[in-house]
Amino acid sequence: AQKITQTQPGMFVQEKEAVTLDCTYDTSDPSYGLFWYKQPSSGEMIFLIYQGSYDQQNATEGRYSLNFQKARKSANLVISASQLGDSAMYFCAMREGPRGSTLGRLYFGRGTQLTVWP
Amino acid sequence: DAGVIQSPRHEVTEMGQEVTLRCKPISGHNSLFWYRQTMMRGLELLIYFNNNVPIDDSGMPEDRFSAKMPNASFSTLKIQPSEPRDSAVYFCASRHQASQNIQYFGAGTRLSVL
Repeated sequence: AQKITQTQPGMFVQEKEAVTLDCTYDTSDPSYGLFWYKQPSSGEMIFLIYQGSYDQQNATEGRYSLNFQKARKSANLVISASQLGDSAMYFCAMREGPRGSTLGRLYFGRGTQLTVWP
Repeated sequence: DAGVIQSPRHEVTEMGQEVTLRCKPISGHNSLFWYRQTMMRGLELLIYFNNNVPIDDSGMPEDRFSAKMPNASFSTLKIQPSEPRDSAVYFCASRHQASQNIQYFGAGTRLSVL
């Protein structure tokens, strides 16, 4: 079974609107972390936001927030007030095990291509 | 503070040639990861090191691929001999163990094997 599933190959949003990118995960480990990365057309992978499995509140970083629904095993990324520069591929990822574990590999989804139009 | 530095940014080579990709992790980070990204397979973990020791190399495709980390500030990924199917973007990432396991990526090396 896939560890991370992103069901939206592509999403479109108008500038200044909010958009939600879906991510579901699969793990039996009680301790894990969830990450979102952005990959613009230039190719670099940019870390956006992190959510720990024991965190009580949803993570936020500026215009990015992570809608964490533990029972549903979902970790959707919400981008508020979209900008043209948000057009990029977005990857959801998961780490299993405690935060400081040396076994800290990430499992990545296939990504969602977001296009922001004026 | 400098990020993860990869070189070269682009590499074009002919089938059968040896290719060496280089990575300098962020200073103070104790884990280093090599990934490969293709349209067909997405982002794949090839190998990762913790404190310069390889922890998991199960993603290395075959014996043609090898990776080393001789010290905390340098790693190489070598392909010998290279094949057209090795064409991909290769990323290096590093992480500080105490920092929520966030991995920071280099800009990648785009490899084309003709």
